[in-house]
Amino acid sequence: DAGITQSPRYKITETGRQVTLMCHQTWSHSYMFWYRQDLGHGLRLIYYSAAADITDKGEVPDGYVVSRSKTENFPLTLESATRSQTSVYFCASKSGQGVGRETQYFGPGTRLLVL
Amino acid sequence: EDQVTQSPEALRLQEGESSSLNCSYTVSGLRGLFWYRQDPGKGPEFLFTLYSAGEEKEKERLKATLTKKESFLHITAPKPEDSATYLCAVQSRYYGGATNKLIFGTGTLLAVQP
Repeated sequence: DAGITQSPRYKITETGRQVTLMCHQTWSHSYMFWYRQDLGHGLRLIYYSAAADITDKGEVPDGYVVSRSKTENFPLTLESATRSQTSVYFCASKSGQGVGRETQYFGPGTRLLVL
Repeated sequence: EDQVTQSPEALRLQEGESSSLNCSYTVSGLRGLFWYRQDPGKGPEFLFTLYSAGEEKEKERLKATLTKKESFLHITAPKPEDSATYLCAVQSRYYGGATNKLIFGTGTLLAVQP
């Protein structure tokens, strides 16, 4: 059972380039999330999706775009990368809402460096 | 504003030396409190979910408890393999329509020396 996977695991890019981070889950979870983790800030929500074709902004959405055409995939695109977007990005998913379904499970992360 | 504060920032223990990590929170209606473990270079690994004050959950050497203002992660007789960063997060009952946002603390870095 692969669970939740992210690709690439490491990425180096240059300022101004477009970058897409991929997230794939095999649990058929309804909800998927993108977080970034930075020293001193902890994990912060970028975007989330409640189902295919339903997405919403989180705490720090500026400079990011998401889509969800299939339940199992939730790509995150940096339209024009900036140095401030250097971070570790985590994808997460949960099955639904309500007691016993709220736990979010995280992927292994993508480490992005923007030069 | 919803907020989570974890203390201490770092903790060094000798193997077998029990201790507790603290997670203080301010949230407009608690939907759930979550504990995760994170090893270097890896994603957070789920440990516990607590939903209401007075609730307790245990897993091996770890025990999580919840009050109306804070949660504790008690580590009994820790081993070196318990070394990791422990993250606490809360979910508000009232954030947005779907209340899906987790507010994370910055974590406690635990080092257990043999």
